[in-house]
Amino acid sequence: AQTVTQSQPEMSVQEAETVTLSCTYDTSESDYYLFWYKQPPSRQMILVIRQEAYKQQNATENRFSVNFQKAAKSFSLKISDSQLGDAAMYFCASIETNSKLTFGKGITLSVRP
Amino acid sequence: DVKVTQSSRYLVKRTGEKVFLECVQDMDHENMFWYRQDPGLGLRLIYFSYDVKMKEKGDIPEGYSVSREKKERFSLILESASTNQTSMYLCASRVEEKLFFGSGTQLSVL
Repeated sequence: AQTVTQSQPEMSVQEAETVTLSCTYDTSESDYYLFWYKQPPSRQMILVIRQEAYKQQNATENRFSVNFQKAAKSFSLKISDSQLGDAAMYFCASIETNSKLTFGKGITLSVRP
Repeated sequence: DVKVTQSSRYLVKRTGEKVFLECVQDMDHENMFWYRQDPGLGLRLIYFSYDVKMKEKGDIPEGYSVSREKKERFSLILESASTNQTSMYLCASRVEEKLFFGSGTQLSVL
């Protein structure tokens, strides 16, 4: 069974600074995907970034990048040049082929002006 | 754009009532999911369906049932609502590795 662990419930970052959100996971599969989702107060889940397990290169989307350490089963999200609009809850998630999406408990990120 | 629509954004029900939460997707996706979101617990899977009339229990199915009579609609049923089912309910559909989410239903059971 998949498990996803986000051990920090809250983090805070100064506007324009960089912050890293941690996530570890466990799976017995070799083929899987990892995700970071953002959930603002509107509750709509927004895909931030996706990583395919078979790809060694870390995914990047503008100010968002991941540090994917497959052997350590670690998948952290780095947000550069933090903006006030980045304040939200962030969920790490994993999905195995033909299976369900498993979420971590989430982390609330606040951005200080 | 793919759309996943949940019928209600807010719902208030009384203990013991039968409650239906509806989710409709417009892209012919086979896989659909119901999650429950609670502070400090993240999103937990209640049930999922991988085709019409097919369903599987997730991590917390107790007190819930589901119905999938048509591909586009996946209903979550609370047979006899209880106060501990007060929560935010999120529906999703999936194609390959892409997930699409509804906007959530905040259910309060009084």
